[in-house]
Amino acid sequence: ELKVEQNPLFLSMQEGKNYTIYCNYSTTSDRLYWYRQDPGKSLESLFVLLSNGAVKQEGRLMASLDTKARLSTLHITAAVHDLSATYFCAVDQAGTALIFGKGTTLSVSS
Amino acid sequence: NAGVTQTPKFQVLKTGQSMTLQCAQDMNHNSMYWYRQDPGMGLRLIYYSASEGTTDKGEVPNGYNVSRLNKREFSLRLESAAPSQTSVYFCASSLTGYSNQPQHFGDGTRLSIL
Repeated sequence: ELKVEQNPLFLSMQEGKNYTIYCNYSTTSDRLYWYRQDPGKSLESLFVLLSNGAVKQEGRLMASLDTKARLSTLHITAAVHDLSATYFCAVDQAGTALIFGKGTTLSVSS
Repeated sequence: NAGVTQTPKFQVLKTGQSMTLQCAQDMNHNSMYWYRQDPGMGLRLIYYSASEGTTDKGEVPNGYNVSRLNKREFSLRLESAAPSQTSVYFCASSLTGYSNQPQHFGDGTRLSIL
């Protein structure tokens, strides 16, 4: 059974600081997705990581995938308030559906 | 371009009542999914449909039924609602299960069962 763990679950950051969110998963998969969710809203796709060593960057966010370690990271550079949201990683389960982590709620304050 | 449309957006039910949540996508996707989101639990898969004419159980299917009406529409039915089914329900779609594209999500249905 595929399990996905994110940490930390809550993260309070100051503007301008850097931090990393970790996503570990329990069984082999070569597809991992990162989503963002604002309070009361739907999920927005951020990154699709499809192979070992994949790295994607968009603005202040950078995601990477290490399939051998079963680990993905979402790195935040010089955080700004607009990045405050909940971030989910999700791992493909044999092409049938996604298994989501519990989410990391990020709060960025000045 | 509407993407994934869910109706209704909000609903309050009494225990034992039944209702159907509707989902439609206009992206010509083959695969569709129903998730529920509870505080601190992430999203959990209820049912999915890999293609028109097929449906399969996900992680938490008890108390729910689904119908893939056609390629565009995938409905979720609660036959006898229970307070434990109070949740936010999201429908999603993707080109296929093995697609390199992400799943696209609707805006959600916020369901309260008293």
